[in-house]
Amino acid sequence: QSVLTQPPSASGTPGQRVTISCSGSSSNIGSNTVNWYQQLPGTAPKLLIYSNNQRPSGVPDRFSGSKSGTSASLAISGLQSEDEADYYCAAWDDSLNGQNVVFGGGTKLTVL
Amino acid sequence: QVQLVQSGAEVKKPGASVKVSCKASGYTFTSYGISWVRQAPGQGLEWMGWISAYNGNTNYAQKLQGRVTMTTDTSTSTAYMELRSLRSDDTAVYYCARVEANWGCFDYWGQGTLVTVSS
Repeated sequence: QSVLTQPPSASGTPGQRVTISCSGSSSNIGSNTVNWYQQLPGTAPKLLIYSNNQRPSGVPDRFSGSKSGTSASLAISGLQSEDEADYYCAAWDDSLNGQNVVFGGGTKLTVL
Repeated sequence: QVQLVQSGAEVKKPGASVKVSCKASGYTFTSYGISWVRQAPGQGLEWMGWISAYNGNTNYAQKLQGRVTMTTDTSTSTAYMELRSLRSDDTAVYYCARVEANWGCFDYWGQGTLVTVSS
């Protein structure tokens, strides 16, 4: 059971806009920034969005992130076939054990 | 360019230990931390812990406390993750990732190392 909650799947047709949600709590999303990772089949994860809504160099502006309270979301506009991948949200969590990173369970995006 | 290159696949018996390496290049090793993340077959990502390459400070996931040790060798810009008392549910791909100092995100990842635990 993941600390952050994501829908297990999402889908859309080429050109559509899809959003993926990520729900947490006051100790993680509520007090720290959210990062998103994209994992293409058979490859290592790649940083997609950091600090809630910032894109690393090279990430298309079709990808955007937002955060409100203890929830965050990733939006992909102008969906393309190469966007078919698993998407994970992550945040640092301020627990009794110190700071830990918690991940969402991942959302498998299918481009129909 | 920043690169993290991990050691090769391992097959271990239950109860054994494994040590995975992660050699960094293309940046000042001691200016960033390294986190380790694992992914069991068909499952999601699980954070294992973090080590500062600057001073060796560590923070491990509570679930793995007592079984995992993360170290660095600054002379070779290499990070290591040792997991002991292996069980079948430790079978996973193990990734190292550079921790970006300002935002705490994992901005570069190694290619992954498959560790299989089987009798």
